[in-house]
Amino acid sequence: SSELTQPPSVSVSPGQTARITCSGDAVPKHFTYWYRQRPGQAPVLLIDKDVQRPSEIPERFSGSASGTTATLTISGVQPEDEADYYCQGADSTGSYTLFGGGTKLTV
Amino acid sequence: QVQLVQSGAEVRKTGASVNVSCKASGYSLSTHYMHWVRQAPGQGLEWMGITNPKNGKTSYAQKFQGRVSMTRDTSTSTVYMELTSLRSDDTGVYYCARAPKDTEGMDVWGQGTPVIVSS
Repeated sequence: SSELTQPPSVSVSPGQTARITCSGDAVPKHFTYWYRQRPGQAPVLLIDKDVQRPSEIPERFSGSASGTTATLTISGVQPEDEADYYCQGADSTGSYTLFGGGTKLTV
Repeated sequence: QVQLVQSGAEVRKTGASVNVSCKASGYSLSTHYMHWVRQAPGQGLEWMGITNPKNGKTSYAQKFQGRVSMTRDTSTSTVYMELTSLRSDDTGVYYCARAPKDTEGMDVWGQGTPVIVSS
């Protein structure tokens, strides 16, 4: 199917590790990208091509992918990490961009 | 620095059209694709389509085909998104975002343009 499924919400305490998943049949075929969106702001690219972190993004953010699931891991979660997180991929043909439904991280 | 600056908020009646602009600065428009992404109030991100500013080729999400048009003006480094036959559920914030290739990550986003559609 051409969908990306994320949990609607994840809740962690400060200093813990948060893991946000993104599942879909096309995940193994195309790279997954991750974004953070704070209220009233535009999204920001956190993870590029499954695992690459832009230079301005803190090291506590990391990405991985295995089978039909990609995962965003936030180590040592801080209060300012509370936001909505979205994964982006492509449909099975690679022709169209897709977003997951988003995950609200509560710290 | 690299920036995408979008036009201001719009209010339209149902059935009307809206044209949102996105002006690129700090880089050459032709080097990156440009996506348009919509976000309805309280909802997630929704991909609308993409344009290749180098040659003007476009690809639209099935949901918007027939109602959306994405164009560019290389002389002013500006891309445009027009949505026609507006409905109330077209209300939301519209973003432009650039990407190095068509299915790659969007590394720079515009500030968003709120569009309100009412009867």
